Amino acid sequence: GAVVSQHPSRVICKSGTSVKIECRSLDFQATTMFWYRQFPKQSLMLMATSNEGSKATYEQGVEKDKFLINHASLTLSTLTVTSAHPEDSSFYICSARETRGETQYFGPGTRLLVL
Amino acid sequence: LAKTTQPISMDSYEGQEVNITCSHNNIATNDYITWYQQFPSQGPRFIIQGYKTKVTNEVASLFIPADRKSSTLSLPRVSLSDTAVYYCLVGSQGNLIFGKGTKLSVKP
Repeated sequence: GAVVSQHPSRVICKSGTSVKIECRSLDFQATTMFWYRQFPKQSLMLMATSNEGSKATYEQGVEKDKFLINHASLTLSTLTVTSAHPEDSSFYICSARETRGETQYFGPGTRLLVL
Repeated sequence: LAKTTQPISMDSYEGQEVNITCSHNNIATNDYITWYQQFPSQGPRFIIQGYKTKVTNEVASLFIPADRKSSTLSLPRVSLSDTAVYYCLVGSQGNLIFGKGTKLSVKP
């Protein structure tokens, strides 16, 4: 089946620093990738939709200048949390949709802890 | 985007068949129905996807009535390792909005 990887799986950083999370589709091309955030005991919340070669589309309430998304190739999207604060601590999950498909495949997630 | 409604939780015992029903009254013509399984601190895992009638794969079956306003995920002979949250999502072109999901607890 389609595999999506994320790196790093876990990161701890100091408040005010920036953190980059990579999302890769390993065995398929993904024109569109998605970024979600999940707080404890809650469901996934869509943050933004990332399209290869164009600007990401952010959901209402998500600051585009704080969560920078780059989708430079058909297999890689990155999410950079800029000037991270403790309230940004969460589980960040990416997903990728096959270029000609309807199915979204999810990465294993990245646990971010901001001290 | 179609909204889905699922039971918050379900309990079952090992070896039983579990059926989880999802309502999606406002499903659009182009929408597909997709089910995911999520374990704590992991990303959702794709289980099955369908558009209409019945779909079966090696882990589950998906039943979709003709009006497509609901769907039922059927897990045959569950085991303890099937304890997880199951999400039903409807959408097209990958635009998926997660609901609260169904927390399935399988007991010995």
